[in-house]
Amino acid sequence: NAGVTQTPKFQVLKTGQSMTLQCAQDMNHNSMYWYRQDPGMGLRLIYYSASEGTTDKGEVPNGYNVSRLNKREFSLRLESAAPSQTSVYFCASSESGGTNEQFFGPGTRLTVL
Amino acid sequence: SQQGEEDPQALSIQEGENATMNCSYKTSINNLQWYRQNSGRGLVHLILIRSNEREKHSGRLRVTLDTSKKSSSLLITASRAADTASYFCATDALGNDMRFGAGTRLTVKP
Repeated sequence: NAGVTQTPKFQVLKTGQSMTLQCAQDMNHNSMYWYRQDPGMGLRLIYYSASEGTTDKGEVPNGYNVSRLNKREFSLRLESAAPSQTSVYFCASSESGGTNEQFFGPGTRLTVL
Repeated sequence: SQQGEEDPQALSIQEGENATMNCSYKTSINNLQWYRQNSGRGLVHLILIRSNEREKHSGRLRVTLDTSKKSSSLLITASRAADTASYFCATDALGNDMRFGAGTRLTVKP
């Protein structure tokens, strides 16, 4: 039982490049989330998926797109990376919405040069 | 905008002492959760307290919630070096949209 897994662990991009961050959970959770964490700030929600087939914007969605591929997988795409997107990205899942605890992946450290 | 704000930003104590962290939030909530993050790792859920609860215990953790003051506190008793981590509160005022504070960095010296 791996919980929430994320790939890659580290990534360096040049400005304008694109990439997709992958996330998968094996807990049969309905809801999945993408956050970014910057120094001195808590986690900020980028996008979430309350259930398979649905996605919604969070607090900071600009510059990102997501795909809920199936119940297990939720990917985050940066179409044209910018230095302001340098951050640590965390994926999380929960049984359902905000009243349940969230389980987090180990994070992806992204640097955009 | 951040919903929860932790206080203090950093706390350093000796092993065996108690650690208290506070969280204030801005709007009405359904529940408040506390998470721990060890350096370089993902967050781990510690405890959830619902808006109709005033106090909750889990092992060495004690959480209180005062909805009239829009604040919560996390008490870690008899702290250990392994408790060294950042602690975050999170609220779900907007349903699925969880909002996290900036965290309190706790250092427990052996």
